Amino acid sequence: GQQVMQIPQYQHVQEGEDFTTYCNSSTTLSNIQWYKQRPGGHPVFLIQLVKSGEVKKQKRLTFQFGEAKKNSSLHITATQTTDVGTYFCAGRGRGADGLTFGKGTHLIIQP
Amino acid sequence: GAVVSQHPSWVICKSGTSVKIECRSLDFQATTMFWYRQFPKQSLMLMATSNEGSKATYEQGVEKDKFLINHASLTLSTLTVTSAHPEDSSFYICSASGSGRLADTQYFGPGTRLTVL
Repeated sequence: GQQVMQIPQYQHVQEGEDFTTYCNSSTTLSNIQWYKQRPGGHPVFLIQLVKSGEVKKQKRLTFQFGEAKKNSSLHITATQTTDVGTYFCAGRGRGADGLTFGKGTHLIIQP
Repeated sequence: GAVVSQHPSWVICKSGTSVKIECRSLDFQATTMFWYRQFPKQSLMLMATSNEGSKATYEQGVEKDKFLINHASLTLSTLTVTSAHPEDSSFYICSASGSGRLADTQYFGPGTRLTVL
């Protein structure tokens, strides 16, 4: 079945440093979504990427979808303490109803 | 908009009892609902997908007789953990998607923490 791998599992950064998490799928995706889960909270939708090579920005967050639609990345510029949490990518295969989630990247920020 | 609620938010039960968890879409019609479980510091594991009025589709390895899912209306889905055992203790999260602009996004409920003694 479809597998979605996400790295790194944990990332410690100093406040103000940049952060990137990477997501790779074993199969071509119809779209990929990114979610953020704060400690003790539930996942919150951030964005969906659909087109090959697509790049979207939300303030300090930049999302990319690979040309082959099998990989994606989330980059945060100049991290802040409010960015703490786990970032999940979730890929939807062709014709699939549900999303396959990556294991998530836990972002820990040291002030 | 697109708010999903879950009830209860936490439950503690004795081994062998059954527990029902409700998932409601409060301000939209949820044509599809999803049930996940999440272990501490781990990812979401999809258990099943349900469409209103039809039987749920379970993921491989998920026992449909143990995790009963009912999606009787466009705003309510329930997950019943039958004869719960300690290994069923987990965080259960539902999500819902609608139609139109709500079709491509899953809106998550706050989750239910189940502890089986």
